[in-house]
Amino acid sequence: ETAVFQTPNYHVTQVGNEVSFNCKQTLGHDTMYWYKQDSKKLLKIMFSYNNKQLIVNETVPRRFSPQSSDKAHLNLRIKSVEPEDSAVYLCASSRLGGSQNTLYFGAGTRLSVL
Amino acid sequence: GDSVTQTEGLVTVTEGLPVMLNCTYQTAYSDVAFFWYVQYLNEAPKLLLRSSTDNKRTEHQGFHATLHKSSSSFHLQKSSVQLSDSALYYCALSAYAQGLTFGLGTRVSVFP
Repeated sequence: ETAVFQTPNYHVTQVGNEVSFNCKQTLGHDTMYWYKQDSKKLLKIMFSYNNKQLIVNETVPRRFSPQSSDKAHLNLRIKSVEPEDSAVYLCASSRLGGSQNTLYFGAGTRLSVL
Repeated sequence: GDSVTQTEGLVTVTEGLPVMLNCTYQTAYSDVAFFWYVQYLNEAPKLLLRSSTDNKRTEHQGFHATLHKSSSSFHLQKSSVQLSDSALYYCALSAYAQGLTFGLGTRVSVFP
């Protein structure tokens, strides 16, 4: 049963454009995440955010930025997309940000950059 | 930093036979939890198993894994696979407040 909702499912755009992906969770969790799943299925964390603290993976290019209106929403904005940004972007949430908490993932947004 | 190494690439197995996916890890933290996630085609990764207790077997949906801190391992096993077990399997660890660190994933294909 899906409780982390992502839109859109797919997005095709051209190099240099700005894109924004939405994520909403209905689990009442405090922490949300964005992961990137590349063409080789490697899953890498990009951001984690819990209203009080944003943790950024230092390898993430500055054109990526998370945007949160409340603890149930965490959007992802890419200011000027590059070809290497083509991937599936997975949003996730967990009850707390500690080590013992399970992440629940959305189905992902597949981005294709032409 | 933390790292997870798992059986790479594709594992093919005949229906009804056993399968084992290896997972080893490196971490400097002591407060760590370990996970196996399964991702079916075009779906979200879903939790299959989790553990943070040394030498305790954890089971779910016919799969089992035991965390062995002495060998830094959390291998996944199933004694009799089904066609529906064909999927991508990820081993992951979670330390402190850093989210999950995933291995590269192992694709399992089950043939009749």
